[in-house]
Amino acid sequence: QKEVEQDPGPLSVPEGAIVSLNCTYSNSAFQYFMWYRQYSRKGPELLMYTYSSGNKEDGRFTAQVDKSSKYISLFIRDSQPSDSATYLCAMNYGGATNKLIFGTGTLLAVQP
Amino acid sequence: GAVVSQHPSRVICKSGTSVKIECRSLDFQATTMFWYRQFPKKSLMLMATSNEGSKATYEQGVEKDKFLINHASLTLSTLTVTSAHPEDSSFYICSAQPGLGNTIYFGEGSWLTVV
Repeated sequence: QKEVEQDPGPLSVPEGAIVSLNCTYSNSAFQYFMWYRQYSRKGPELLMYTYSSGNKEDGRFTAQVDKSSKYISLFIRDSQPSDSATYLCAMNYGGATNKLIFGTGTLLAVQP
Repeated sequence: GAVVSQHPSRVICKSGTSVKIECRSLDFQATTMFWYRQFPKKSLMLMATSNEGSKATYEQGVEKDKFLINHASLTLSTLTVTSAHPEDSSFYICSAQPGLGNTIYFGEGSWLTVV
């Protein structure tokens, strides 16, 4: 079993739709949770960074963490064609090492 | 957000030669930098963790003699692919961490093609 599971998609939605992206993880020791957006042939861009269970909102993006269920989500409201990209969840244990464990990424296409 | 710069963004080299990729943190000091490799339509695979002033920690299966990592200062880490072969062709991405417990920022990546 992978440490972090993420549906690779592709996920296709019409412009304006609410998008829900999800990851599950197996190790309860993960402390920090991140969502990155990666456009084709580019490096990942940090979207959201959360620590505790609950919701964190930033503009059209909401990150949700449920540590009891080992489940994280990213919601995108009013999706735009420019949101079309691969979305990667990532998490780490914190502390000295701090290396990220990534999901496989979900390819999102927002159709105009 | 913090800026991490990689250079070159694209490089083509002949089989058997070595190529160096630089990763710089432009507006912060990075105690730790990470090097990843990404195959098309795949996720990022961590190759090694680079700590300033000490030897890099390589992930299992990564050849340390082939992928030389140097983290000589708090703003610069380099990855040298030695004796490159076509199977080393890939997208290499670095990331940097301002300090313990802080988030991690990625460079734009470097495309390596070995011909």
